[in-house]
Amino acid sequence: QSALTQPPSASGSPGQSVTISCTGTSSDVGGYNYVSWYQQHPGKAPKLMIYDVTKRPSGVPDRFSGTKSGNTASLTVSGLQAEDEADYYCSSFAGSNNQMVFGGGTKLTVL
Amino acid sequence: EVHLVESGGDLVQPGGSLRLSCAASGFTFSSYEMNWVRQAPGKGLEWVSYISRSGDNTYYADSVKGRFTISRDNAKNSLYLQMSSLRAEDTALYYCARTTVITLDYWGQGTLVTVSS
Repeated sequence: QSALTQPPSASGSPGQSVTISCTGTSSDVGGYNYVSWYQQHPGKAPKLMIYDVTKRPSGVPDRFSGTKSGNTASLTVSGLQAEDEADYYCSSFAGSNNQMVFGGGTKLTVL
Repeated sequence: EVHLVESGGDLVQPGGSLRLSCAASGFTFSSYEMNWVRQAPGKGLEWVSYISRSGDNTYYADSVKGRFTISRDNAKNSLYLQMSSLRAEDTALYYCARTTVITLDYWGQGTLVTVSS
């Protein structure tokens, strides 16, 4: 199972919005509404930010939002804040035998 | 509060074996599926293995199939990963993660496995 494709880096200034893409295939992203996004600060464990494409867990600011079109999912961070600077990973269900696949990660820099 | 604590990581020679453990607390362990995910140094996340609530169903990434075995003891609130025939490319931080309908909603802090001679 190939990894999902994410841009290696993204950036924006405080207050701006930035969108990170996650491209897969019809066998993963395009085939199921089970896309999640995880935030990982250096030296820390990943934290769930978005699940089921668009849903936010309790406690995640509504500045974080997710969408999907075809085989590409996207994470948008609005009103960028310094603490948003982190690595972001998407994941998708990939069928009952493959369970899940991750993207390569995107390093978000707040300028 | 959900708490997951991994242990068992160590330096091991190529071809060796290791058993990782994940102690769960703060939730009804037997009600949740669980996964292992790993992260090689400076690299991204890689899904490793899944286990159902009862332990009857397990799945593995192709990279570890036939070498790793996931298991759980619901009476002990514990998840395990038995690793054998270890290779240099298995070197990584191994996370256990609670799973709710495919979503990894809580993660432990990880345990480091280093495969080197």
